[in-house]
Amino acid sequence: SQTIHQWPATLVQPVGSPLSLECTVEGTSNPNLYWYRQAAGRGLQLLFYSVGIGQISSEVPQNLSASRPQDRQFILSSKKLLLSDSGFYLCAWARDPNTGELFFGEGSRLTVL
Amino acid sequence: DAKTTQPPSMDCAEGRAANLPCNHSTISGNEYVYWYRQIHSQGPQYIIHGLKNNETNEMASLIITEDRKSSTLILPHATLRDTAVYYCIVRVLGSQGNLIFGKGTKLSVKP
Repeated sequence: SQTIHQWPATLVQPVGSPLSLECTVEGTSNPNLYWYRQAAGRGLQLLFYSVGIGQISSEVPQNLSASRPQDRQFILSSKKLLLSDSGFYLCAWARDPNTGELFFGEGSRLTVL
Repeated sequence: DAKTTQPPSMDCAEGRAANLPCNHSTISGNEYVYWYRQIHSQGPQYIIHGLKNNETNEMASLIITEDRKSSTLILPHATLRDTAVYYCIVRVLGSQGNLIFGKGTKLSVKP
């Protein structure tokens, strides 16, 4: 079966520290992958999407970067976290990019202090 | 920016139908209407999508007006587990799946 996993589920990081969130998909190949962020009380903001290994598109310029080292792995990173990076980060994949049906992971809640 | 407008919140009695409206007056001819929901602290869940015809699946029904400027998501028999934020999204089919979410409608199902 097709599943998507994210980790860690929660983390608390000091300002200026690095960040690495990992997302993996199982049971499919060459999926379109996405990173969204949801700030408290707000809708989802698309950060990055990837249509293949090494192919990253950024929707919003900011303190974050993404990488896709393997077909089913998508990583969200930062070299130095800001307070404004706090939020709920969601990874998603599209079983069929043409239908718009996205499957989301469990989410990673980041608190920057 | 989101291209849809939804009420920020709605209440519904358990067992009754929940009708969630969405305005998308600037929708283009090749844009579909999608609905997702997000239960607290979880990732969003796909519900349904449609172009111009009404659609129904095991979760809900989607009614799109003839001019396609608005739609309504119907949960026929709401349960407490349907309490969630519901997002209405418009998107061109085949545009790499990058959905733009707005703030959605917080549906509270009450006993």
